[in-house]
Amino acid sequence: ELKVEQNPLFLSMQEGKNYTIYCNYSTTSDRLYWYRQDPGKSLESLFVLLSNGAVKQEGRLMASLDTKARLSTLHITAAVHDLSATYFCAANTGNQFYFGTGTSLTVIP
Amino acid sequence: GAVVSQHPSWVICKSGTSVKIECRSLDFQATTMFWYRQFPKQSLMLMATSNEGSKATYEQGVEKDKFLINHASLTLSTLTVTSAHPEDSSFYICSATRVYGNTEAFFGQGTRLTVV
Repeated sequence: ELKVEQNPLFLSMQEGKNYTIYCNYSTTSDRLYWYRQDPGKSLESLFVLLSNGAVKQEGRLMASLDTKARLSTLHITAAVHDLSATYFCAANTGNQFYFGTGTSLTVIP
Repeated sequence: GAVVSQHPSWVICKSGTSVKIECRSLDFQATTMFWYRQFPKQSLMLMATSNEGSKATYEQGVEKDKFLINHASLTLSTLTVTSAHPEDSSFYICSATRVYGNTEAFFGQGTRLTVV
């Protein structure tokens, strides 16, 4: 079974600072996904990473994928309060999706 | 992107009653739908996988007689929590995939179930 681990679990950072969330997975995966979840809400898709070396950016968030290291990162640049949420990575093999533990991010003014 | 609609968004029911949650893919045909349960501040826990026209595959530890899943069409799956108890209170999320293998999952809005 594919195992997905995220680090850190909780993160508190000041506005304007940069930080990276890490996502390791145990075996070969078809794709790597990043989601955002606000309190009481469902998951919002942020990025889908398809291949080794893939990099995608949207606003202050940038995701990358290293399939050889089985590692994906979500980099936050110059954090703002609106980015406070829980971020999940997920990997899939075929039709099975495996989620990381989530990273609860709080951006402090 | 593809839209998955989940209904209701929240529901409060009495112990012993049954509650049905619907998950619809609005603009695509969903070969497979997934049902997840999420406890506060935890990740998603897969409950079952359902394919249209066949019986759902339940994860270990999930009671299939308690959590009835029906995937009668390519656009609709339902989860019925039977004889609900307070410990069934949780956030339930469905997702759907369009094509078998190498595809993205689209999530419903989630249903907050409270059993009193």
